[in-house]
Amino acid sequence: SAVISQKPSRDICQRGTSLTIQCQVDSQVTMMFWYRQQPGQSLTLIATANQGSEATYESGFVIDKFPISRPNLTFSTLTVSNMSPEDSSIYLCSVFSAGANVLTFGAGSRLTVL
Amino acid sequence: AQTVTQSQPEMSVQEAETVTLSCTYDTSESDYYLFWYKQPPSRQMILVIRQEAYKQQNATENRFSVNFQKAAKSFSLKISDSQLGDAAMYFCAYIRSDFGNEKLTFGTGTRLTIIP
Repeated sequence: SAVISQKPSRDICQRGTSLTIQCQVDSQVTMMFWYRQQPGQSLTLIATANQGSEATYESGFVIDKFPISRPNLTFSTLTVSNMSPEDSSIYLCSVFSAGANVLTFGAGSRLTVL
Repeated sequence: AQTVTQSQPEMSVQEAETVTLSCTYDTSESDYYLFWYKQPPSRQMILVIRQEAYKQQNATENRFSVNFQKAAKSFSLKISDSQLGDAAMYFCAYIRSDFGNEKLTFGTGTRLTIIP
């Protein structure tokens, strides 16, 4: 399975600021997925990031709030813009390991907005 | 749309005993994958076990096994000889076998507590 490095591990941010989360994979992958996990909740897909094209956002998530970059087949970033306390969550990136047919996750980024 | 239901928000088990976590799902597809993921307090999502729908044999990984009932759309996880390190949130998940842009659908999770 792919190995994913995600950073920052955690951060505390002020309302109105933006934070960019980075995800680096040790192999080339076509699609990368960004999830949000609000406190005590399950995972919700934010968007799917394909290299060379615009990310595909799920209902309730918009590009202005969660811009995503995918410059190559091993790297992606998710920015949480103009943050409010409601954005306090764990954000996780993930990829499909095609050979193993499993979804592998990064360690997650715990974001707290004051 | 596919849905995954975990009806047990919390479960507890005595150390060394056996516990079963329930999961049901709804789909019109005939070919798909089912997963159990574990999320300890470290928040890392860890794959516990995977089942391909076309396989009748239940998947097994050491102390973890599943009871896959395709007709009933049920996919329970059995943990034998429970250990303190098994304490975590457990999520059941589904995806169509033709991955494409299909997303993984998660259940709401079951928090498992191990009693020493």
